[in-house]
Amino acid sequence: QSALTQPASVSGSPGQSITISCTGTSSDVGGYNWVSWYQQHPGKAPKLIIYEVSNRPSGVSNRFSGSKSGNTASLTISGLQAEDEADYYCSSYRSSTLVFGGGTKLTVL
Amino acid sequence: EVQLVESGGGLVKPGGSLRLSCAASGFTLSKYSMNWVRQAPGKGLAWVSSISTTSSYIYYADSVKGRFIISRDNAKNSLFLHMNSLRAEDTAVYYCASDYCSGGACYSFVYWGQGTPVTVSS
Repeated sequence: QSALTQPASVSGSPGQSITISCTGTSSDVGGYNWVSWYQQHPGKAPKLIIYEVSNRPSGVSNRFSGSKSGNTASLTISGLQAEDEADYYCSSYRSSTLVFGGGTKLTVL
Repeated sequence: EVQLVESGGGLVKPGGSLRLSCAASGFTLSKYSMNWVRQAPGKGLAWVSSISTTSSYIYYADSVKGRFIISRDNAKNSLFLHMNSLRAEDTAVYYCASDYCSGGACYSFVYWGQGTPVTVSS
């Protein structure tokens, strides 16, 4: 089960916006709206920040937003803050299984 | 407060077995599909297995199919992962995680445990 494709790293300055892409196929990202995004700080468990492409769980900042076009999903973080520095993972349903992206390390400069 | 607490990890020789447990508190585990996700040292997340609310639907990643068995005991608010024929590549932190949606599955994991480490080495 090959992973979804994410950039290995992205960076941005405080206050800026960044976007992380997540590319799959029509069998996963493109075929379903079950795309999620997770934030993981070092040594911590992942935290759900986006579900079903663009929905935010209760308590997640509205600086986080998600979208999808074709086989590529995107996570946008606006108004970057120091605490946003973390690893970010996308995931998608694929034929009774779940597949994650390889992860993107966000550095806040 | 919702808590998922994994236990049962440790050091095991190749070919050996381990049984992981995940105890839930602060929410009714029986209402949610449950999952195991692992993370090898320095690597990304990898989905391992899922089980529906009544255990009617069970799925595995190809990498563990035939070796791992997921189960749950709703009366005890607990989830399990029986791991057999362990290999070096199974070395990882194993997390239990609950689905976001109650009743069905929406393939988003809202509650996570702290993880239990499994090391497969001779």
